[in-house]
Amino acid sequence: QQQVKQSPQSLIVQKGGISIINCAYENTAFDYFPWYQQFPGKGPALLIAIRPDVSEKKEGRFTISFNKSAKQFSLHIMDSQPGDSATYFCAATNTGNQFYFGTGTSLTVIP
Amino acid sequence: GAVVSQHPSWVICKSGTSVKIECRSLDFQATTMFWYRQFPKQSLMLMATSNEGSKATYEQGVEKDKFLINHASLTLSTLTVTSAHPEDSSFYICSARGIGGYEQYFGPGTRLTVT
Repeated sequence: QQQVKQSPQSLIVQKGGISIINCAYENTAFDYFPWYQQFPGKGPALLIAIRPDVSEKKEGRFTISFNKSAKQFSLHIMDSQPGDSATYFCAATNTGNQFYFGTGTSLTVIP
Repeated sequence: GAVVSQHPSWVICKSGTSVKIECRSLDFQATTMFWYRQFPKQSLMLMATSNEGSKATYEQGVEKDKFLINHASLTLSTLTVTSAHPEDSSFYICSARGIGGYEQYFGPGTRLTVT
């Protein structure tokens, strides 16, 4: 059973556009929702994370929107750049011991 | 801050031999370390969780006698793939979590190829 569902599987965006990746979860006990960025052949890097007591968190061009009632959260990448081309994973946890990862979104930003 | 290293970054070994992968937290103490396996174009698959000084907890379906994990200190965990076979070829990634936090910081990964 997939604890965290991520969409789309792949995404192509023009340079300067907005990239949006969505995740949904079922377990209302989850209280920490990170996003990771992974380049080919590299380990994932923590990009930004949010807790359910806020609806939005912004760090530079990256924003997490969180909808507790809908049990959904999304990553928005503003002014997308070719260097943002990577695979993005959402995740959720409620203890820090078990992270449930989404299936990943392959983002391609076209110059 | 929060840097995790892995060594080696890639390794090729013959079938039947054992391979050890090291995971180190360079600038923080890691009470918990995680080992993942990742197949091409797929998500991360948790293999085991280890706490410093304790036996690792393995996920269902992961052979503990094949994938030996040791977390001997707050900055070092090792994964030993014993009697490796071609089907063990994969990308292995460790992550570390510091004291009192939820964040996991990932290492750069180790590409294992078994011939």
